Amino acid sequence: DTEVTQTPKHLVMGMTNKKSLKCEQHMGHRAMYWYKQKAKKPPELMFVYSYEKLSINESVPSRFSPECPNSSLLNLHLHALQPEDSALYLCASSQDGDPGGYTFGSGTRLTVV
Amino acid sequence: KQEVTQIPAALSVPEGENLVLNCSFTDSAIYNLQWFRQDPGKGLTSLLLIQSSQREQTSGRLNASLDKSSGRSTLYIAASQPGDSATYLCAVRPRGYYGNNRLAFGKGNQVVVIP
Repeated sequence: DTEVTQTPKHLVMGMTNKKSLKCEQHMGHRAMYWYKQKAKKPPELMFVYSYEKLSINESVPSRFSPECPNSSLLNLHLHALQPEDSALYLCASSQDGDPGGYTFGSGTRLTVV
Repeated sequence: KQEVTQIPAALSVPEGENLVLNCSFTDSAIYNLQWFRQDPGKGLTSLLLIQSSQREQTSGRLNASLDKSSGRSTLYIAASQPGDSATYLCAVRPRGYYGNNRLAFGKGNQVVVIP
């Protein structure tokens, strides 16, 4: 299995809702990432998990809460989002500390209304 | 901090022509460089990964070169097809504790292949 699987593919949520994005990989990668991408911009790093521990938080607002339950799963919990948080959320994985490449998922298109 | 530049930002070519996409980066201390393809609203698909010790990689109609000392990479797509229309992103994986897990992306080359 050489894929990163993200669910759901599309999500519409109100500003008072709580929802979660899920990401799964079975390549044995020990680094997992959340990126946010706005239209016509490159992806922006949000969080990095290395060996299931949060290693990088790029000053992301607390309404985004990441979780790594095990080495194959990554969640992003969403609460009280703003319309400007509408974007494509991408999950990625790579070997940690090994100069390998990144594998990205197909993304979750999030719309906050 | 690593800066990655891609030029041109957008280009259109007639079907059958070869595509040449350029990427430059400011710091040669890298593990590797990766070219991705992105279709509108979709995720990133890895096209080619070039390790810092390599000069080029090839896959089918795609060829990517890397000149680490001058901070340049070029992606060639031979005999372009309308299905090659997409945005192509160049990303560099910096060496060092700070940058190891922070891919540095260019802004992309938006390509349209005209039938």
